[in-house]
Order: sequence, then C-alpha cells, then structure tokens
Amino acid sequence: AQSVAQPEDQVNVAEGNPLTVKCTYSVSGNPYLFWYVQYPNRGLQFLLKYITGDNLVKGSYGFEAEFNKSQTSFHLKKPSALVSDSALYFCAVRAYGNNRLAFGKGNQVVVIP
Amino acid sequence: DSGVTQTPKHLITATGQRVTLRCSPRSGDLSVYWYQQSLDQGLQFLIQYYNGEERAKGNILERFSAQQFPDLHSELNLSSLELGDSALYFCASSVASGTGELFFGEGSRLTVL
Repeated sequence: AQSVAQPEDQVNVAEGNPLTVKCTYSVSGNPYLFWYVQYPNRGLQFLLKYITGDNLVKGSYGFEAEFNKSQTSFHLKKPSALVSDSALYFCAVRAYGNNRLAFGKGNQVVVIP
Repeated sequence: DSGVTQTPKHLITATGQRVTLRCSPRSGDLSVYWYQQSLDQGLQFLIQYYNGEERAKGNILERFSAQQFPDLHSELNLSSLELGDSALYFCASSVASGTGELFFGEGSRLTVL
C-alpha cells in the first residue's frame, strides 16, 4: 500500500522567511510524488511533481521540492514566504503502475505578516 | 480555473435520501477520479474511471456508486445518506491513467441533516 505522512498539522512562518513543509512517503517501487495547495473553499491546485531525473523539482509560485530516496522524503520549500502562501498543502504519492493517488492529511501553512 | 466543472456546489439533504453529483472533466482528459474530503478522514480516494471503464476502487461505500458516460462526464451517486456522509466531494481529471497530475474541480459540499 502507498501512503504519505505529513508530520506537522500547522507550519507558522514569518513573511520573508524560508518555508518548509515536510513529507515522507511509503510505496513499493518507484514513487511518483506530487504537491498540491488548497485555498479556502477551493479545489486542490497542482504545484509540482517528481517522476524521475533531477532530485530538485521546481514548480509554480516559486515553490520547489527535493526528492530524497534514502530518506523517502519529498519536502516542499520556498525561499521567501508571502502572506498569500497561507493555505493547506497536500503531499501525494502514486506507485508506478498504480492509478491511485494517495494524499497526506495536509499541512496548514500560516504566513505571519 | 482548472477546467473541471462540478455541480452542484452545495447540497443540503436529509438522512436516507439519495443525491447525484456531476463532474465534467477538462477537455481531452479521459480519466476521472472521485475523492471525499472530511475533517477527520482527510482526502480519501473513492474511485477512478478511464474512458468509461472503472480502473481503480478505493474506500467507496456500497451505498455509493459512480459511472462515466460516453461523453466522459461522470456522476457519483450517494444513497441511503447518513450524517457521516457530510463532506466535500471532489472530482479530478487527467489526460491518461499514469504519471500525470490531477486537475481538481471546486468540489460539491454535501450536508446531510
């Protein structure tokens, strides 16, 4: 079975500071990893994905994520957080050959002005 | 705007009733996914269709059923509704079944009284 763990319920960060949202995964075989963001009363929006290749993936709105196979992690990062980055962030994993995308429970990010 | 359309946006009904949620995928997308989002369970995968055929099944109750029609729109039918079925139901679509990211609709919020 595939699963994702997002250990922190909420991440608080001051505006302008680096933002990190943690994610670890469990999957058989090669993982396909995704980050999504959800704003209040909206659907999930795709941020970035790792399929293969370079371990550092760049995505939308200045976000990036680093795939670490030995630590089974895929942490989301942004060098300088904005107040508008305050939202719910989901990490997701899919195993090769599996159609099911499994989501973590989500992390609420609060950027303090 | 993801291009995925869900109706209705809000639905209030009573226990024991039956409702149908509708989803129109992005133009050209063959895969449709249904997810349930609740505060205690997070995002739960329900079912996936690809070009009219069921491809994967998740934590979908027997009281729930879905189908994808020849024009690729999908419907999720929820019957014998219980209070615990109150949740946000998301539809997502992707080009094919595989490594591609999912594009989510805005969701249908179901309240069972």
